[in-house]
Amino acid sequence: SAVISQKPSRDICQRGTSLTIQCQVDSQVTMMFWYRQQPGQSLTLIATANQGSEATYESGFVIDKFPISRPNLTFSTLTVSNMSPEDSSIYLCSVAGRGGTDTQYFGPGTRLTVL
Amino acid sequence: GQQLNQSPQSMFIQEGEDVSMNCTSSSIFNTWLWYKQDPGEGPVLLIALYKAGELTSNGRLTAQFGITRKDSFLNISASIPSDVGIYFCAGQSTGNQFYFGTGTSLTVIP
Repeated sequence: SAVISQKPSRDICQRGTSLTIQCQVDSQVTMMFWYRQQPGQSLTLIATANQGSEATYESGFVIDKFPISRPNLTFSTLTVSNMSPEDSSIYLCSVAGRGGTDTQYFGPGTRLTVL
Repeated sequence: GQQLNQSPQSMFIQEGEDVSMNCTSSSIFNTWLWYKQDPGEGPVLLIALYKAGELTSNGRLTAQFGITRKDSFLNISASIPSDVGIYFCAGQSTGNQFYFGTGTSLTVIP
């Protein structure tokens, strides 16, 4: 399995500010994804982070609110912009395509609280 | 995005009993994955299924990739207290994205 780290692990932010979450994987992977998990809920896919090009967003998520970068095959960032309390959630990075398989592995998540 | 229907939503069972949960979708998936998530942690992969009809075991866990490619089930045999947690299915679409089920919360009573 891949070793995935996320920073920060948690943060408390004021409304109207932005937070950038980093995801680092220990080896090159084909695919990287960002998910949101609200308290007591399932995981919702925000976007696919594409290396060297714009991310592919799911319905209901837009680049202005959740800009994503993926400069190489082992690193990605997700920014939560102009935050409101409704953005309080766990944000999870995942990877797939390591070793040619489509198995998906997750990072530990970033717990965000917006006041 | 898509969301898969997972059932049951929650289960309360006695230690030693077997557990069965399933996931259905209106869309075809190329891969089915089953995860377990403990509080404060990211989901941990339990079993991966890559082929329609495939039946795979991992210790006390058995999962199958439905022949229609629209469903999957997970069985846990002889449950133990550490099986407690939330179980999620996930399907990989033809566009390579992974979508998650609604989750099954499992409680094992010693």
